[in-house]
Amino acid sequence: EAGVVQSPRYKIIEKKQPVAFWCNPISGHNTLYWYRQNLGQGPELLIRYENEEAVDDSQLPKDRFSAERLKGVDSTLKIQPAELGDSAVYLCASSLSLAGGALASAEQFFGPGTRLTVL
Amino acid sequence: AQKITQTQPGMFVQEKEAVTLDCTYDTSDQSYGLFWYKQPSSGEMIFLIYQGSYDEQNATEGRYSLNFQKARKSANLVISASQLGDSAMYFCAMREGSPSGYSTLTFGKGTMLLVSP
Repeated sequence: EAGVVQSPRYKIIEKKQPVAFWCNPISGHNTLYWYRQNLGQGPELLIRYENEEAVDDSQLPKDRFSAERLKGVDSTLKIQPAELGDSAVYLCASSLSLAGGALASAEQFFGPGTRLTVL
Repeated sequence: AQKITQTQPGMFVQEKEAVTLDCTYDTSDQSYGLFWYKQPSSGEMIFLIYQGSYDEQNATEGRYSLNFQKARKSANLVISASQLGDSAMYFCAMREGSPSGYSTLTFGKGTMLLVSP
């Protein structure tokens, strides 16, 4: 079974440029997450989807970040324009649904991440 | 207040020795789950072990065990017989419950473990 797929693995851009990351979750996983991980820190949630619906985007900087999951499967995270402080690893993860009746033990499976460097 | 606290930025252990990585958590929920993940230098997050708040026994998975002390709100990871390949960052994480389901994992800042020959 394929794991969570992310592309690209690495991206170097100049500040003020746009950038997009793509994620394809594990088949059958309704819940998809985007995390940002700064160097030496733990992952921090940017947005969580239950199917097509964004159910937790409180930490997403909406002035420059946007995300979509149009058909409830794969997802794209965009930054426009990028700033120096956006340099980080962007991790996508998926799990079985966390909605009502879900299990606390639903494991989150992570993709390999996209390492973004903004110059 | 931080929900997950990992007080050890780095730990050193010799091969074949046991090591304990500390994790304390803060929640007012009765139902929650605690996770440990390993992140090697390659970057992928690898799930190690899970403990549910209602589980009476400490979780074990091979060389990994979770020392769950609910009253103290601690969930320490114990790695027995360390191996060189255990050198990595280790993250403790928590998922809290709510009437509509469970929250996303909240991660601690991690502990870097270095295993020496």
